[in-house]
Amino acid sequence: GAGVSQTPSNKVTEKGKYVELRCDPISGHTALYWYRQSLGQGPEFLIYFQGTGAADDSGLPNDRFFAVRPEGSVSTLKIQRTERGDSAVYLCASSQMAGANVLTFGAGSRLTVL
Amino acid sequence: DQQVKQNSPSLSVQEGRISILNCDYTNSMFDYFLWYKKYPAEGPTFLISISSIKDKNEDGRFTVFLNKSAKHLSLHIVPSQPGDSAVYFCAASGGSNYKLTFGKGTLLTVNP
Repeated sequence: GAGVSQTPSNKVTEKGKYVELRCDPISGHTALYWYRQSLGQGPEFLIYFQGTGAADDSGLPNDRFFAVRPEGSVSTLKIQRTERGDSAVYLCASSQMAGANVLTFGAGSRLTVL
Repeated sequence: DQQVKQNSPSLSVQEGRISILNCDYTNSMFDYFLWYKKYPAEGPTFLISISSIKDKNEDGRFTVFLNKSAKHLSLHIVPSQPGDSAVYFCAASGGSNYKLTFGKGTLLTVNP
């Protein structure tokens, strides 16, 4: 695609529910990243994929968060037993190669946990 | 522990004047710095970057200055235009490169 596509753009859920957020990166981009932007903060790194594997998941806040990229393209961020503190905009980005500094971001998925 | 700091939450300037956005960092391992611009309901868009081996990089109306000894960088926009009104994020990376550390952002408003 022309840009990084994220769905849904908005998700409202109840505390304790399971949520999946999808990211479709720019075609041909091998590196994919998830960031989280909480209100009043800058984006914070969650996880980085090079191809199908998670090269660095050190930013995931706890084991309720998990992400996959089974075919090296689309990625899904999965959040179990959501908590109100998970409310944020989840940003996906991709880059053409590993180690690239310049990332292209999607518009984000705004998650609200009631 | 905030490693990238943007101490001004907002800045307002007149159209045609210079906008100066500031950013400080604490991690000496950072060696690449970027500015991203974000409009509401959109993702951050890359604007300009600078490597630590340089002290200035220019692209049209946008110039980034890096002062390594002070661990400080600034973005200059000249002349400012109303379409520049957005949130500007300073970001840094080092070593591994792929992981960006962002500041909290500065909301720039350019008044016609």
